Amino acid sequence: AAGVIQSPRHLIKEKRETATLKCYPIPRHDTVYWYQQGPGQDPQFLISFYEKMQSDKGSIPDRFSAQQFSDYHSELNMSSLELGDSALYFCASSSEGGSYGYTFGSGTRLTVV
Amino acid sequence: GESVGLHLPTLSVQEGDNSIINCAYSNSASDYFIWYKQESGKGPQFIIDIRSNMDKRQGQRVTVLLNKTVKHLSLQIAATQPGDSAVYFCAERLSGGSNYKLTFGKGTLLTVNP
Repeated sequence: AAGVIQSPRHLIKEKRETATLKCYPIPRHDTVYWYQQGPGQDPQFLISFYEKMQSDKGSIPDRFSAQQFSDYHSELNMSSLELGDSALYFCASSSEGGSYGYTFGSGTRLTVV
Repeated sequence: GESVGLHLPTLSVQEGDNSIINCAYSNSASDYFIWYKQESGKGPQFIIDIRSNMDKRQGQRVTVLLNKTVKHLSLQIAATQPGDSAVYFCAERLSGGSNYKLTFGKGTLLTVNP
């Protein structure tokens, strides 16, 4: 069965650079969620999209933006990167409001140096 | 320098023992709960879920108990195996509205000793 695909798996950027993370949800899933997980931390919700419209927003810095495209894939754009942005970034997708579960991707490990 | 945040609750068990991992959730209006297993550097992997109209659900070697009165979830793993070693998170979904994000609880690091 198809899973949630994230790319790249690993990314190293310097401070003040920009990064773009991509997420390809499970086919026919209508909602995409982005989470940030620091070392030893629980995943923190950043933002979600339902049918290509932003549906909810969490603790996402103003330096970050995201969108969902017509093919339902989503991109998280991060600018003016800071050392503290180093984390695992997960994407999850669901349908029917998550009534049939949420599937997470393998994540992108972002390291800011 | 000191690492911030690397202080997960831990549970260490012997192979073959039963494990119980607890979680306190935050919102009494949450209607759906999921336990996830996360191995190092990997995404959360679904283990078992339960809806708020139930208080117990069983899977293969795993049981989830829900106590809505005290907003508490537990995950029981029978005959724990070394492959069960991972961080375990509970997550809750708030009912109502159109936003269905999951909110995660604090993880617990389970270590299974052979």
